[in-house]
Amino acid sequence: EDQVTQSPEALRLQEGESSSLNCSYTVSGLRGLFWYRQDPGKGPEFLFTLYSAGEEKEKERLKATLTKKESFLHITAPKPEDSATYLCAVHRGNDYKLSFGAGTTVTVRA
Amino acid sequence: DTEVTQTPKHLVMGMTNKKSLKCEQHMGHRAMYWYKQKAKKPPELMFVYSYEKLSINESVPSRFSPECPNSSLLNLHLHALQPEDSALYLCASSQDELPGGNTIYFGEGSWLTVV
Repeated sequence: EDQVTQSPEALRLQEGESSSLNCSYTVSGLRGLFWYRQDPGKGPEFLFTLYSAGEEKEKERLKATLTKKESFLHITAPKPEDSATYLCAVHRGNDYKLSFGAGTTVTVRA
Repeated sequence: DTEVTQTPKHLVMGMTNKKSLKCEQHMGHRAMYWYKQKAKKPPELMFVYSYEKLSINESVPSRFSPECPNSSLLNLHLHALQPEDSALYLCASSQDELPGGNTIYFGEGSWLTVV
């Protein structure tokens, strides 16, 4: 059975204090790993798709990386507006179903 | 900005009411989804439509009835719901290309409260 585990559950950062979120996964036939950002009461906002080990993608202060067993979402010099829950999800084979992790809630204080 | 549009944003309904949630996308995607999300939990898949045909039903109770009138529209008809069905209902879409790995884009969601 696919497993996606995110850590930590919650992360409190000072503005400008860089950190990383972890997403470890066990899935056969990984077809894609996805990162989403979700603000309270809103739908998940797509951030990145990673397909193969070694791949990296960046967007503003966020950088996502992928290995064969885990993915990291690095937040560089975060700002209060980066506060959100970050969700990791994996997609395997020809299955439509995304397997989500429980999320990491990031709070950035000014 | 999300290109998956959901209406209404908020809905309060009684247990004997019939209501519908609506979703529209104009990205040319041929796979559309309904997800349910409870507070502080990740989204859970309910239904998948592929090329306007129901492809997956994740054992969802029959009080939830999906409909895909065309490739851009997706509805979720609600009838005789229970208070525990109160949640954020998310519509999503993706390209429908095999093998998988197609990015799924979510709408803003419809907050449903059953009283």
